[in-house]
Amino acid sequence: IQLTQSPSPLSASVGDRVTITCRASQDIKTYLAWYQQKPGQAPKLLIYAASTLQSGVPSRFSGSGSGTDFTLTISSLQPEDFATYSCQQVDSYPFTFGPGTKVDI
Amino acid sequence: QVQLVQSGAEVKRPGASVKVSCKASAYIFGNYYMHWVRQAPGQGLEWLGVINPTGGSTTYAQKFLGRVTMTRDTSTTTVYLELSRLRYDDTAIYYCVHSGWDDWGQGTLVTVSS
Repeated sequence: IQLTQSPSPLSASVGDRVTITCRASQDIKTYLAWYQQKPGQAPKLLIYAASTLQSGVPSRFSGSGSGTDFTLTISSLQPEDFATYSCQQVDSYPFTFGPGTKVDI
Repeated sequence: QVQLVQSGAEVKRPGASVKVSCKASAYIFGNYYMHWVRQAPGQGLEWLGVINPTGGSTTYAQKFLGRVTMTRDTSTTTVYLELSRLRYDDTAIYYCVHSGWDDWGQGTLVTVSS
């Protein structure tokens, strides 16, 4: 299963509403996760099952979608949110990741 | 708090093998599968495979079949990733990841260089 993401990269400002899209090559129901990764760090799980917020993740992050089309939304971009965001399907092996969307200023 | 502590950085010649360890603690080792994911410099994340610590069964990404071996030692709650016939494009950070996907090892840099 292949995943594509758009846009890439994404330029935004503090306070902006940001939406990142992930599209799967086949139906993955809601078996999708989103990660945030900063330079030199391991990825951090933000959302699983397409829309469930991982414990401790700020509520400005939200996810939606099912089937083949998914979105990650940051309602009001904060300085610490400048990072790379990747989607991952866990519907079937081999688990695959999207190419990543870098959110920068 | 789940802890996954990986072995240190490695430098290997092309054609050699590398074995990376991941020691797990603070949870019941056999209850959760362990995945391995890698990230080449400036690139995205790539899934290599998964091991069931209870029985040792594995599933590998087809791309790595024949070169990858995942094992575990239940007595030390450690899982291992071995990659053979290394190529320059195997240079990457290798992560072990708890199957909840919310706990990652710190990563092990494997550099393939002549």
